[in-house]
Amino acid sequence: QLQLQESGPGLVKPSDTLSLTCTVSGGTISSGSYYWGWIRQPPGKGLEWIGSIYYNGNTYYSPSLKSRVTTSVDTSKNQFSLKLSSVTAADTAVYYCARHCSGGSCYSAFDYWGQGTLVTVSS
Amino acid sequence: SSELTQDPAVSVALGQTVRITCQGDSLRSYYASWYRQKPGQAPVLIVYAENNRPSGIPDRLSGSRSGNTASLTITGAQAEDEADYYCNSRDSSGNHLVFGGGTKLTV
Repeated sequence: QLQLQESGPGLVKPSDTLSLTCTVSGGTISSGSYYWGWIRQPPGKGLEWIGSIYYNGNTYYSPSLKSRVTTSVDTSKNQFSLKLSSVTAADTAVYYCARHCSGGSCYSAFDYWGQGTLVTVSS
Repeated sequence: SSELTQDPAVSVALGQTVRITCQGDSLRSYYASWYRQKPGQAPVLIVYAENNRPSGIPDRLSGSRSGNTASLTITGAQAEDEADYYCNSRDSSGNHLVFGGGTKLTV
């Protein structure tokens, strides 16, 4: 059974960079069939796609966050990571990592999710 | 603002049928996926590629599409169906993803 687990600081200061890692177990991140994505959810609000990365490093980012987002993949550790720069209180959210198909009719379907991690931006 | 529009809240009586909709221009070209989220939990994929269900999702949940609108139908609503429901799909560019604002279903 595939499992994803987010890790990283729960508190980040304004203007700093938020850094999270997602560790994948029960499967390989190097599968050519999937992208690995980040989604966030501010408290009491809806889901927002941040971006997705392929095992070879190919990325797609939300246009609204593109200028501040960087993602990377480490196939040797079966992990992928998120960096979000210049954070403000508006970036306070539960951050999820998840998997979706690399193409075709299931491209938008996030079928496995991490449990999520709350990141609070505050001084 | 989201490119996919959902009604913020919908209610249904126990045992009745309810339809939750998701509107957006990109849905004319791309399939929607649907998720159920209960408080304090991660979203769960319940329908993808218009009307496909992952293993373990009951067939009383079904998806459909007409024009720019995707729909999730729950037949015979049960108390356990009370949750937030989100749609998502590709945006108009085809490579980026977008979520609807979510619908809170009350049973």
